[in-house]
Amino acid sequence: GAVVSQHPSRVICKSGTSVKIECRSLDFQATTMFWYRQFPKQSLMLMATSNEGSKATYEQGVEKDKFLINHASLTLSTLTVTSAHPEDSSFYICSAAGTANSYEQYFGPGTRLTVT
Amino acid sequence: TQLLEQSPQFLSIQEGENLTVYCNSSSVFSSLQWYRQEPGEGPVLLVTVVTGGEVKKLKRLTFQFGDARKDSSLHITAAQPGDTGLYLCAGPSADSWGKLQFGAGTQVVVTP
Repeated sequence: GAVVSQHPSRVICKSGTSVKIECRSLDFQATTMFWYRQFPKQSLMLMATSNEGSKATYEQGVEKDKFLINHASLTLSTLTVTSAHPEDSSFYICSAAGTANSYEQYFGPGTRLTVT
Repeated sequence: TQLLEQSPQFLSIQEGENLTVYCNSSSVFSSLQWYRQEPGEGPVLLVTVVTGGEVKKLKRLTFQFGDARKDSSLHITAAQPGDTGLYLCAGPSADSWGKLQFGAGTQVVVTP
């Protein structure tokens, strides 16, 4: 149980275009999902907290207009990187928290974004 | 801000050796979690420790939560190449419900 999927796993896009990344909890309902960014050989950096049916809460320094988050259902959250630039290239990981134990997070496999 | 300090940052050992990774804080945590992340993958939850002094075993991995719930350790016995990965400790953030505070991670490399 507690499986989280992400799509796509890898994406290459041109500078100025937008990219959407989907995060799905496959076998449980996630009241809260989280979006992280990870640079090589570093830990996870939380970008935003996504709650179903409400606006996402962004961490300090993360542009909400650039990283659009939508949590339309208890099993799906999407992250859209708008007007992508090469500095947005990174590994993006989502996680989902189930209702039983709110502090255990189950991570997706990540999405490698490369902006050319 | 609650900080989780992991040590060492990097550990390279040969197959069959033992290793210990530490996660320390000056703050008390209600629980701590350990994750392992392999290159190009998301972190996988290994264990959650909740009670001060608790010891949990997962095959060759032994996790301990300090009596004061400010620190934790992960000990791997007879390490295998499959244990290679980034080990992350994490605890509930005091900022808001559900958020986790992560340590910087320990990169473990086990060579055959």
